[in-house]
Amino acid sequence: GENVEQHPSTLSVQEGDSAVIKCTYSDSASNYFPWYKQELGKRPQLIIDIRSNVGEKKDQRIAVTLNKTAKHFSLHITETQPEDSAVYFCAAGQQTSGSRLTFGEGTQLTVNP
Amino acid sequence: GAVVSQHPSWVICKSGTSVKIECRSLDFQATTMFWYRQFPKQSLMLMATSNEGSKATYEQGVEKDKFLINHASLTLSTLTVTSAHPEDSSFYICSAPRGQGVNTIYFGEGSWLTVV
Repeated sequence: GENVEQHPSTLSVQEGDSAVIKCTYSDSASNYFPWYKQELGKRPQLIIDIRSNVGEKKDQRIAVTLNKTAKHFSLHITETQPEDSAVYFCAAGQQTSGSRLTFGEGTQLTVNP
Repeated sequence: GAVVSQHPSWVICKSGTSVKIECRSLDFQATTMFWYRQFPKQSLMLMATSNEGSKATYEQGVEKDKFLINHASLTLSTLTVTSAHPEDSSFYICSAPRGQGVNTIYFGEGSWLTVV
């Protein structure tokens, strides 16, 4: 099955700096890579996703890059703000298999004012 | 607004009793839903895939007789934790894909289960 590894487990940055979180996956058949933000005790919220037919996607301060050859993808947050502080999860899956996702271990991002 | 609704948000039960958690897709049909368990400060671990009209598919190590899943309609899946024990205390959360072909996965609010 799929195995997703996520680094770092914790990340602390100053407000305004950039934050980068990296994930690797093992199953070359995976073609869908979403990123979720989860605040304590709440549901994961989809913040951005990328599918294997593109290498990069950007939405305002958030961007994701995908390298299918190397089987890794990354989340980039620019101009971080304190409200970006949360746990971020990457995931990988195949949309043809009903969207079964395997999650990374999560990254606790802290943005210091 | 929410596209997947989960109920209850919080539940406390006594050891040995059973608890049912509902997951509903709002304004869309979901032939497949997914149930996850999340322990504090840990990731989401897939427990099972709920399939409308057929048996659920359980992940390795998940006891199907303990975690009963029923997907009775295209908008409702239920997870029943039977004979609950304190170690079953966790955050249970469901998800459902929405869309045709290229779809997006949405999560329910989650349910905190505490077994005392």
